[in-house]
Order: sequence, then C-alpha cells, then structure tokens
Amino acid sequence: GAVVSQHPSRVICKSGTSVKIECRSLDFQATTMFWYRQFPKQSLMLMATSNEGSKATYEQGVEKDKFLINHASLTLSTLTVTSAHPEDSSFYICSVPGWYNEQFFGPGTRLTVL
Amino acid sequence: DQQVKQNSPSLSVQEGRISILNCDYTNSMFDYFLWYKKYPAEGPTFLISISSIKDKNEDGRFTVFLNKSAKHLSLHIVPSQPGDSAVYFCAANLNYGGATNKLIFGTGTLLAVQP
Repeated sequence: GAVVSQHPSRVICKSGTSVKIECRSLDFQATTMFWYRQFPKQSLMLMATSNEGSKATYEQGVEKDKFLINHASLTLSTLTVTSAHPEDSSFYICSVPGWYNEQFFGPGTRLTVL
Repeated sequence: DQQVKQNSPSLSVQEGRISILNCDYTNSMFDYFLWYKKYPAEGPTFLISISSIKDKNEDGRFTVFLNKSAKHLSLHIVPSQPGDSAVYFCAANLNYGGATNKLIFGTGTLLAVQP
C-alpha cells in the first residue's frame, strides 16, 4: 500500500499559537487526502477531505477557519491548527486513499497545547 | 449517532487460540468494510476488507465475515499471536457517488493475546 509520512510526530505549543502539520504521500500521487482526529480511547473522526487544486471539504462541526487545510501538491497536504487551545490537544492522522476503498494512514501527530 | 459499533472494548485470548472481533453497523448504504490494527501513538494499519456483495474474505490468519441481514461483521484471527495485541478498528465505507467516499470508524476493541 501507499507509504504516508507526517511531520512533526509530536508538538507541544502554547495556547494561542498556530501549528502546521504536514502529510506526505511518499510513493503515490494523491488528489485526495483525509485528515482525522483521535481523542484518547475514542474512535478516529474524519475532520476534512483535502482536495488538490480545490478547497477542502469539512465535516459537520469542524471549523474551517480554525483548521486550515492546503493541498499544495499531489504528494503534500498540510493542516494548520490556528490559535490552538488546550481542547485542540489530540492525535491528528492523515490518510491517502488506495486503489479500492481502503485508506493508508500516516503515523500521526500528537499535539499538546499548554 | 454511532453508525459503526464495536461493543466489546477489550478482548483477551490465549496464544494459539482464535480471536473473534465483532462489529455492528446501522447504515445499509455502506458498500465496503475494512479492519485496521492500531498501536498506541501510531497510525492505523490496513488489515483486510470485504465488499458488501460478499460474505467472506480470507487472507492468511485473518478472515472477515459479513452478515448483511444482521448488519454484522466479524474478524477472525487464528492462530492468535502475542504480536497481534493491539486495538482493532472496524470501518465502513460510504460512497457518495463519483470519487467521493469516506470511512466511518467504530470505537475499537483492544485485543490482548496472552503468551
């Protein structure tokens, strides 16, 4: 399957700052990438679908002005958490769709907002 | 509204025995089901999938069974190995038409395989 990387793997920031997370598809060109969030002991929740060359599609309840997504190329999507607050602390994971309906996930980014 | 449910938060099995992980869903529009394995602080790893038009798919030690009438699927791992210890997520694919689809995940089951 596709190899997906994320950077950074973990980040700690102060409340009010912005944090950028990168998701790269290393061996597969992806016109679509997905961003998920997982709170402790909970399921993965889809936040948004990143589309190369057009605007991201956000799930209900996800603030598009807070979670900025840019699909810069066929191998790179970025998620910027703007004005982060402690409640944004979570595990953020991106994925790339496979040939069928599977998705291949990156290793995730642990965000801690102090 | 949890469309994909894994009612067992945890399961403990002896090495060499069969592990059976269960998943129930409510939306009859799901057309594909997948199982993922996840270790703490890592992304999920794809294990096996099944189309809604089939009732069984097998890959090595992993077999997924689908019962559409009951809206139930299960993952069988046999024989279970200590390295199988992880959280297992069931996911269902919802196709909105064209190239638009998304995965809905269950809450996960923590499998512990005892040596």
